[in-house]
Amino acid sequence: DQQVKQNSPSLSVQEGRISILNCDYTNSMFDYFLWYKKYPAEGPTFLISISSIKDKNEDGRFTVFLNKSVKHLSLHIVPSQPGDSAVYFCAAVSDSWGKLQFGAGTQVVVTP
Amino acid sequence: ETGVTQSPTHLIKTRGQQVTLRCSSQSGHNTVSWYQQALGQGPQFIFQYYREEENGRGNFPPRFSGLQFPNYSSELNVNALELDDSALYLCASSSVEAGEFNEQFFGPGTRLTVL
Repeated sequence: DQQVKQNSPSLSVQEGRISILNCDYTNSMFDYFLWYKKYPAEGPTFLISISSIKDKNEDGRFTVFLNKSVKHLSLHIVPSQPGDSAVYFCAAVSDSWGKLQFGAGTQVVVTP
Repeated sequence: ETGVTQSPTHLIKTRGQQVTLRCSSQSGHNTVSWYQQALGQGPQFIFQYYREEENGRGNFPPRFSGLQFPNYSSELNVNALELDDSALYLCASSSVEAGEFNEQFFGPGTRLTVL
């Protein structure tokens, strides 16, 4: 039962442009969401998070938007850089101990 | 500060065998979680250990078991290996107090192939 979904397996974007990654969830009890970035042969690394009491969180080039009414969040990367090429996972915290439910990931390729 | 390390990096086993994967938590962390990432999928939660006790389990059969040691390192054991157990196994450590979680730090994973 996949409660966190990333429906776009891949995204190609030109350097300097905006990358928009989308994530949907089904469990209305989720109240904290995270984005992770993963390079090959490395573990996922934390990128940015958002609490359900907010609708936007910004950190440098990365902004996450949360729309609770439709159970949707998105990650915006502006401007995209070649080093951003990686797999991005959306995750929801499923309990107070921090257990995570992940989406399937989106492979981002930033082209020069 | 040493990050999360996992061993071995790669492992090949045959069906029916048993395997033990190891994880060394980041210094100061008291909680370790294990995740299975099959090809093309996101990591799936297997179980979590807090101060040497299992603290929650995902939808995995009992042949997946674990241990956490006093130094907070951990093992994941899988018995009677099946072909579908082929995956990247990720360990993540964090510092949790009174049910308040903090950021999880992931190791690089162990790639298990079952033939």
